[in-house]
Amino acid sequence: SAVISQKPSRDICQRGTSLTIQCQVDSQVTMMFWYRQQPGQSLTLIATANQGSEATYESGFVIDKFPISRPNLTFSTLTVSNMSPEDSSIYLCSVKQKGEQFFGPGTRLTVL
Amino acid sequence: KQEVTQIPAALSVPEGENLVLNCSFTDSAIYNLQWFRQDPGKGLTSLLLIQSSQREQTSGRLNASLDKSSGRSTLYIAASQPGDSATYLCAVQPSGTYKYIFGTGTRLKVLA
Repeated sequence: SAVISQKPSRDICQRGTSLTIQCQVDSQVTMMFWYRQQPGQSLTLIATANQGSEATYESGFVIDKFPISRPNLTFSTLTVSNMSPEDSSIYLCSVKQKGEQFFGPGTRLTVL
Repeated sequence: KQEVTQIPAALSVPEGENLVLNCSFTDSAIYNLQWFRQDPGKGLTSLLLIQSSQREQTSGRLNASLDKSSGRSTLYIAASQPGDSATYLCAVQPSGTYKYIFGTGTRLKVLA
């Protein structure tokens, strides 16, 4: 199974600032997925990141708010821009291997 | 549009009980279904993956079944232990897409 790490594990940020979350996988993968889990809610897909191309965003998520980089097959970053308290969530990186989906430990973000 | 529902939303049982968690989905056209466990404030741990051609999968005390035609999956946990306390999520991958649609989760508490 894929082993995924995320940095930071948690952060407390001020309104209006930006935070970049890093995701590192121990093997090369074609697609990496970024999810958001708001307090008490299930997971919502933000975007899919492919190496060498623009990320594909889901309805309700835009690149200006959640820019994503995918410089190689083992790494991706998600930036949460111009944050507001409504962005307080757990952000999770995910990959698929042989049809099975694996998740990183998540980044718990609190925006004051 | 695929929707995934999990019942019950919360469950509290004494240690040693066998229990069943339910997951239902509205569109039977799926590639696979996956069960996850999530501990508070943490990422997701994959428990079982059932391909659309399979009817069940087993891992240790866990058994997951899939009935595509009726849009249902169950996760059976035998001889529950306090360490099983977590939120259990099911997710389906609709046919023709790489995305996962997550259920709302069942929050399980096993009492010692």
